[in-house]
Amino acid sequence: DAKTTQPPSMDCAEGRAANLPCNHSTISGNEYVYWYRQIHSQGPQYIIHGLKNNETNEMASLIITEDRKSSTLILPHATLRDTAVYYCIVRPSGGDDKIIFGKGTRLHILP
Amino acid sequence: EPEVTQTPSHQVTQMGQEVILRCVPISNHLYFYWYRQILGQKVEFLVSFYNNEISEKSEIFDDQFSVERPDGSNFTLKIRSTKLEDSAMYFCASLGQGGYGYTFGSGTRLTVV
Repeated sequence: DAKTTQPPSMDCAEGRAANLPCNHSTISGNEYVYWYRQIHSQGPQYIIHGLKNNETNEMASLIITEDRKSSTLILPHATLRDTAVYYCIVRPSGGDDKIIFGKGTRLHILP
Repeated sequence: EPEVTQTPSHQVTQMGQEVILRCVPISNHLYFYWYRQILGQKVEFLVSFYNNEISEKSEIFDDQFSVERPDGSNFTLKIRSTKLEDSAMYFCASLGQGGYGYTFGSGTRLTVV
């Protein structure tokens, strides 16, 4: 699997947009970028995924650079409940392949 | 919204005992997974299961582990002879045909004493 690099931690003020970066410079043409998060000891939660186009859903937006070597997850109006570890994962297009979790980014939303 | 249900939420067992962790995946899902997370560490893949057989397993998933889908609804993880280092959160996940995002359960905290 291609590897990803994320900052270990970030802070964001409540109500502001949280922008979480991820580098995946060795991503292959058929690999998608996935984002999950884990709120304190709960099971990981799927957020969003994309191949090359920007994606948006009710939880977040995903911006992928044109060369696909990096991406940014955007939480448009962060709340305290968004405090969690966020994982950026690249994996083949087959959705049933196992997920390999890294260390992720610990996002602290500050009141 | 459909959920993956895991029971029990917390289990304490003595070293050497067998434990069975139970999961009820989302009803129309076809792919099933077990992960574990030792306190303070990464979430680690254990095993994936499809069409009533293991499709992939990690190095962690040795002979003391087994999985079963006994009745078409439950998905179980058995640890035959628990060790202290098996203490962890165990997460079950499922995925539907053509789906992309796994749905994880809330986990079982296993404590081996």
